[in-house]
Amino acid sequence: EVQLQESGPGLVKPSQSLSLTCSVTGYSITSNYWGWIRKFPGNKMEWMGYISYSGSTSYNPSLKSRISITRDTSKNQFFLQLNSVTTEDTATYYCASQWDYFDYWGQGVMVTVSS
Amino acid sequence: DVVLTQSPATLSVTPGERISLSCRASESVDTYLHWYQQKPNESPRLLIKYASQSISGIPSRFSGSGSGTDFTLSINGVELEDLSIYYCQQGNSLPYTFGAGTKLELK
Repeated sequence: EVQLQESGPGLVKPSQSLSLTCSVTGYSITSNYWGWIRKFPGNKMEWMGYISYSGSTSYNPSLKSRISITRDTSKNQFFLQLNSVTTEDTATYYCASQWDYFDYWGQGVMVTVSS
Repeated sequence: DVVLTQSPATLSVTPGERISLSCRASESVDTYLHWYQQKPNESPRLLIKYASQSISGIPSRFSGSGSGTDFTLSINGVELEDLSIYYCQQGNSLPYTFGAGTKLELK
């Protein structure tokens, strides 16, 4: 069974970078696509981007040049970096396996942006 | 971006009744429309993919229909455990987008 688990700091200061790790077990990240989704207070959901089995990436244009998704195939992990965060980036961040839908999700990590 | 409009925002339900939730897309998404359930303090769970395809392990009371711009998630015989937020999501074009959700609450 595919399992995903997010990890990373729960508090980030404005203007700094948010960095999260998604550890995957039960499936190789060199297969399929692997994405990041966030849920804002108030329940709005946003797809942020994905990294593919080959390492190619696709990002939500709303995040412009602030986002980067990378991976470490030796550890079966992929990563999210979001630069220049503001309070508007306060959300619960999920990693998930994806096609054009999201079938397996991590438990989520709540990240607050505050000084 | 494709905008998904879900209605109603909140639905008060009685256990046992059949209900329908709506999701309308701002442009055609063919059948690339998927439904999720999210209970408090849990991750979203995929309920229906490609508008009407069932998912292993999901109770048969959940069903989906529609194509193009109008979609429906039906629950035939609501149970207390179904009190959650339901989201639709389109996978037809990037960026993938979600509806704002419909919250089921107890009447």
